[in-house]
Amino acid sequence: EVQLVESGGGLVKPGGSLRLSCAASGFNFTDGWMNWVRQAPGKGLEWVGRIKSKADGGTTDYAAFVTGRFTISRDDSKRTLYLQMNSLETEDTGVYYCTDFDVWGQGTTVTVSS
Amino acid sequence: SYELTQPPSVSVSPGQTARITCSGDALPKKYAYWSQHKSGQAPVLVIYEDSKRPSWIPERFSGSSSGTMATLTISGAQVDDESDYYCFSTDSGGNHWVFGGGTKLTVL
Repeated sequence: EVQLVESGGGLVKPGGSLRLSCAASGFNFTDGWMNWVRQAPGKGLEWVGRIKSKADGGTTDYAAFVTGRFTISRDDSKRTLYLQMNSLETEDTGVYYCTDFDVWGQGTTVTVSS
Repeated sequence: SYELTQPPSVSVSPGQTARITCSGDALPKKYAYWSQHKSGQAPVLVIYEDSKRPSWIPERFSGSSSGTMATLTISGAQVDDESDYYCFSTDSGGNHWVFGGGTKLTVL
């Protein structure tokens, strides 16, 4: 079954850190360019960033609001995508999805609150 | 920063044709994609590269693009098609993706 499963969400205080994971199965993860997309409560979908496949350089690009706080990485041997989030702000609260745009995970919820 | 503009809402009766538009300055050179997102569920890709439909999406979904506007058309809309729909595309540089604000489709 083609699947992406996110984990690692939770409650964190402003200024704190969190690492999200996304486990892939059932498709060629290694060749995929993978993205993180989020949705704040009551708001629309918002692209966070992307990592290319290792074969295409493995480079990353981020939305402007990331401002150096987030890092996307991948471990192809574990078929897993990561999102390291530092200096979290209340505005980062939302559901975070991993996706190659064909396949989407169910999302993991991040709440930034004191 | 680059923006894609969608109408906040579209409403049709069952069996009618629903059209959702998406405007952006880079669309003449960049593909538009469309996703369906129902509350509490994972988004689903319904159209890619302006007009291509994944094999699992019903034929009543179609897409087109002309100039700075892309359009998602649902022919013979069904109650089950009620959802938020998002267009998304890259900026002119191709390295940053942008989502439109989303359109709530009501079928009743």
